[in-house]
Amino acid sequence: KAGVTQTPRYLIKTRGQQVTLSCSPISGHRSVSWYQQTPGQGLQFLFEYFSETQRNKGNFPGRFSGRQFSNSRSEMNVSTLELGDSALYLCASSLVAGANVLTFGAGSRLTVL
Amino acid sequence: QQPVQSPQAVILREGEDAVINCSSSKALYSVHWYRQKHGEAPVFLMILLKGGEQKGHEKISASFNEKKQQSSLYLTASQLSYSGTYFCGTEIGGQNFVFGPGTRLSVLP
Repeated sequence: KAGVTQTPRYLIKTRGQQVTLSCSPISGHRSVSWYQQTPGQGLQFLFEYFSETQRNKGNFPGRFSGRQFSNSRSEMNVSTLELGDSALYLCASSLVAGANVLTFGAGSRLTVL
Repeated sequence: QQPVQSPQAVILREGEDAVINCSSSKALYSVHWYRQKHGEAPVFLMILLKGGEQKGHEKISASFNEKKQQSSLYLTASQLSYSGTYFCGTEIGGQNFVFGPGTRLSVLP
């Protein structure tokens, strides 16, 4: 059974650009959550999607957005990149929404120069 | 509001025991524990639900006291493979699922 797949694994952008990250959940999982991980802040919740609807959103500016497709695949977008957006972005999937067992992908490491 | 974890870091020798605590100022409905090894994604260890139950995973067990709004993770006879950062996660007010800041555990031979 394939795990959670995130692409790209690494990317470098410059300030002001935008980026789109992709996450393919485990087959059958309908909930996808996104987290930002930095050394100083730990795992910060970005948002959760279930059945193509954003269920919850963390305390991040509007530059961070996401969506989920009918096949449960999810994308997150960050516009007008800032240096502070450099982080590991982790996607996690679960069978249903809410506090369930999360299976994480390997992450997308974003570096903003 | 994320839960609080203590200690921030701990160093052990193989075979020693450790306790990691997770507490919240808000009511906890459940507590999840994850471990993240260096350079890897977090991996689920266990969920504890209301009722003060204790669960185990290998020689790692945990308890949950909802009255005190805290959970403790017990690592017994630690092995080198236990090294990593341990995160507790909770659902705050039935909404966002948030993680604590993590406890870095280093097990030395």
